[in-house]
Amino acid sequence: AQSVTQPDIHITVSEGASLELRCNYSYGATPYLFWYVQSPGQGLQLLLKYFSGDTLVQGIKGFEAEFKRSQSSFNLRKPSVHWSDAAEYFCAVAGFQKLVFGTGTRLLVSP
Amino acid sequence: NAGVTQTPKFRILKIGQSMTLQCTQDMNHNYMYWYRQDPGMGLKLIYYSVGAGITDKGEVPNGYNVSRSTTEDFPLRLELAAPSQTSVYFCASSFPDRGILEQYFGPGTRLTVT
Repeated sequence: AQSVTQPDIHITVSEGASLELRCNYSYGATPYLFWYVQSPGQGLQLLLKYFSGDTLVQGIKGFEAEFKRSQSSFNLRKPSVHWSDAAEYFCAVAGFQKLVFGTGTRLLVSP
Repeated sequence: NAGVTQTPKFRILKIGQSMTLQCTQDMNHNYMYWYRQDPGMGLKLIYYSVGAGITDKGEVPNGYNVSRSTTEDFPLRLELAAPSQTSVYFCASSFPDRGILEQYFGPGTRLTVT
C-alpha cells in the first residue's frame, strides 16, 4: 500500500533563510506526488505536483520540489522564506482513486 | 466558479445527535472525497465517490454515511455523534485525467461533539 512519511513535525526557519521540507514515499510504480499547503483556518491549497518528466518541478509562491527515485523522496524547497509562508505543509502520493497524505510539517517563521 | 463549498463552517453537537455536513462542487468533477483532520494526524479519508450513485469506504468510515445522488453534491452524515468525531472535516473533488488526481479542497467544517 502507498504511504507517505514526513519526518519533521515542526520546523522553524528565520525569515529570508532557505527552507527544505522532507517527504518520503512508498509506492511500487512511478508515483504521482503532490505538496499542499494549509494556512491557519483554511483548506488545503495545491502548491505543486509531479507526474513525470523533469524531476525538478516549480510551483506557486516560489516553491519547488525535487523528485529523487533512488531515495524515494520528494522534498519541498524555497530559497527565501517569507513570514506569510508560516503554515502546515502536506506531502501526498496518488493511490488508486485517492490521495494518501503524510502527517504534515508545521512551518514556523521567526523574524 | 465557486469551487468546493461546505456548510456549516462550525457546529457543536451533543453526544448522540445527528447531522449532515454538506459539500457541493461546481466544477463537474466526477470524484469527491471526505476527509477528517485531527491534530498531528494529517488527513484521513472517510469516504469517496467516483460518480453519482457510487461510493466507497476510505480509511476511517465507521460512524459515517454518505450518498451521491448528483454529480455536484456529496453529503456526509453522522448518525450518532460521539466525542471521537470531534474534528475538522474537509470535502474535496477532482477530475481524473490519465489516473491523475488533483484535488480541490473546500474550506472545512469544524465539528465539536460534547
